[in-house]
Amino acid sequence: DADVTQTPRNRITKTGKRIMLECSQTKGHDRMYWYRQDPGLGLRLIYYSFDVKDINKGEISDGYSVSRQAQAKFSLSLESAIPNQTALYFCATSDPTSGSWNEQFFGPGTRLTVL
Amino acid sequence: GDSVTQMEGPVTLSEEAFLTINCTYTATGYPSLFWYVQYPGEGLQLLLKATKADDKGSNKGFEATYRKETTSFHLEKGSVQVSDSAVYFCALSDQTGGFKTIFGAGTRLFVKA
Repeated sequence: DADVTQTPRNRITKTGKRIMLECSQTKGHDRMYWYRQDPGLGLRLIYYSFDVKDINKGEISDGYSVSRQAQAKFSLSLESAIPNQTALYFCATSDPTSGSWNEQFFGPGTRLTVL
Repeated sequence: GDSVTQMEGPVTLSEEAFLTINCTYTATGYPSLFWYVQYPGEGLQLLLKATKADDKGSNKGFEATYRKETTSFHLEKGSVQVSDSAVYFCALSDQTGGFKTIFGAGTRLFVKA
């Protein structure tokens, strides 16, 4: 079974709709991240969480919100989706105390299309 | 702030050709450096890493050396295969940045048979 899972894998929605993307992990890591991937722009950090009570904005948090329901679950919400939020979204985890030097472990991604 | 710059793609090579993908970085502290690979339809996965100056990371025939004097971490492979076709991301993680990871824009590699 995959260590980091994301649901849904694909989603098509309309402008103005509320969307939630979910991420679950079985790695036992405290740190979780949401990234957005756009062609030519690499990965940009939306939000990150260093533990259940810690939520931090990344470089492109406007229009997004997150919830860390448990150590293993980190959800990303688009309150009112707009077309320029069409992108590939990745969840990731890390544990910088483990000697892995903050290696990131990624989920398979969610492809979101906003019409 | 910290940043990573890598060569633009796509890079198209014939099988068994030599590969170099350039990567340079700026960082305020002493970062760890990474190369991640993304195969079609998948998430990123770690290819190799180096945690201090002059370290060489290697995996699956790929190598990269942490060059502090030139702030570079170029990815090389002596003989590419069709199965190496993917997008490659250079990245850094710096303790002074709270261990957040900064990614380059990615370089797409196509290998022709």
